[in-house]
Amino acid sequence: RKEVEQDPGPFNVPEGATVAFNCTYSNSASQSFFWYRQDCRKEPKLLMSVYSSGNEDGRFTAQLNRASQYISLLIRDSKLSDSATYLCVVNELALTFGSGTRLQVQP
Amino acid sequence: GEEVAQTPKHLVRGEGQKAKLYCAPIKGHSYVFWYQQVLKNEFKFLISFQNENVFDETGMPKERFSAKCLPNSPCSLEIQATKLEDSAVYFCASSQSDRAIYGYTFGSGTRLTVV
Repeated sequence: RKEVEQDPGPFNVPEGATVAFNCTYSNSASQSFFWYRQDCRKEPKLLMSVYSSGNEDGRFTAQLNRASQYISLLIRDSKLSDSATYLCVVNELALTFGSGTRLQVQP
Repeated sequence: GEEVAQTPKHLVRGEGQKAKLYCAPIKGHSYVFWYQQVLKNEFKFLISFQNENVFDETGMPKERFSAKCLPNSPCSLEIQATKLEDSAVYFCASSQSDRAIYGYTFGSGTRLTVV
């Protein structure tokens, strides 16, 4: 079983749509959780950290459920510029990456 | 500097040749991490350093791969006798701590193509 699992997608959504990505992790001792964004094989960039209480940054909302070992990312009012691969990342001894979920926002 | 600097951006090697990649972490960051990204977005952790000491090398292939972080020099990742399957983008990241509470900052990567 992979340590961090994500649906690879692609998710094809129209502009303005709301889209949600999910991720599960296997190591219950993991302590830090993140969503990264990667564009066209460029370097991954930190989108947001994920906290147990849930956190929001503009159109983006992240949730963590430690009991279920489940992380989510919600994007509201999708923009064309949101098209990218979204990586679920869990910190153990080093950052462990999911394989990413591809989002394509269409006009 | 305020960015992780990786060189070269692209590297082409024939099978069996040596490849050497460099990474200069953000000033003040004492942890350096190397990742390999092959097709399908799979990120593989290779090795991490705390200053010049190896912190975790559980991901490093035991044979052909080696890495160093020496004082006052960029960190390096070296692949002896490259194979076709080594073709990938190699990302370096740095952090102030191993706990990565604020995530890591990644360099723009070195794309290695073995032909």
